[in-house]
Amino acid sequence: AQKVTQAQTEISVVEKEDVTLDCVYETRDTTYYLFWYKQPPSGELVFLIRRNSFDEQNEISGRYSWNFQKSTSSFNFTITASQVVDSAVYFCALSEANFGNEKLTFGTGTRLTIIP
Amino acid sequence: EAGVTQSPTHLIKTRGQQATLRCSPISGHTSVYWYQQALGLGLQFLLWYDEGEERNRGNFPPRFSGRQFPNYSSELNVNALELEDSALYLCASSHLNLGQSRNTIYFGEGSWLTVV
Repeated sequence: AQKVTQAQTEISVVEKEDVTLDCVYETRDTTYYLFWYKQPPSGELVFLIRRNSFDEQNEISGRYSWNFQKSTSSFNFTITASQVVDSAVYFCALSEANFGNEKLTFGTGTRLTIIP
Repeated sequence: EAGVTQSPTHLIKTRGQQATLRCSPISGHTSVYWYQQALGLGLQFLLWYDEGEERNRGNFPPRFSGRQFPNYSSELNVNALELEDSALYLCASSHLNLGQSRNTIYFGEGSWLTVV
């Protein structure tokens, strides 16, 4: 069975600080996909990144960066120089690669508050 | 390009009644997913439709049902509403390319269902 753990329930940092959101996953599959989504107060889940299990390269997109380590089953998300607009709930998710089981298994989310 | 659209935004129903939620996927997307986000329970997979067929179902009772229309839009029906059905219901869509890498799942803003 798949499982995603986001141990940090809530994080508060002062604006301009860097912050890392942790994500640890469990799966028996050798091929899988990992995602991060942002959920602002409006409710919509905003897609941030998708990573497949064969690609362990870290990725940077502006102030966002992701560190994927298969050895520790982690897919951590770092926001550099945080801004108030980054305040939201962030979800890490996992899906299998075999077609016929199209569903995401989500972590419980981390509520990030950026203090101005 | 329009994203995933859902209606209604908010819905209040009485226990025992039926609720119908609607979703229009992104143009070109053939797969529609439904997720429930109940307070304290996180994001739970409900249903997946592709090309008009139900492809997968989460661990929910039969009173949660739905369908996908020829234009790929979808309805989620919840019969015999219970108080614990109060939640944000999120619809998502993707273009399922069999044999190719998993396509990203994009979410709508959700429909808030309150059962009183």
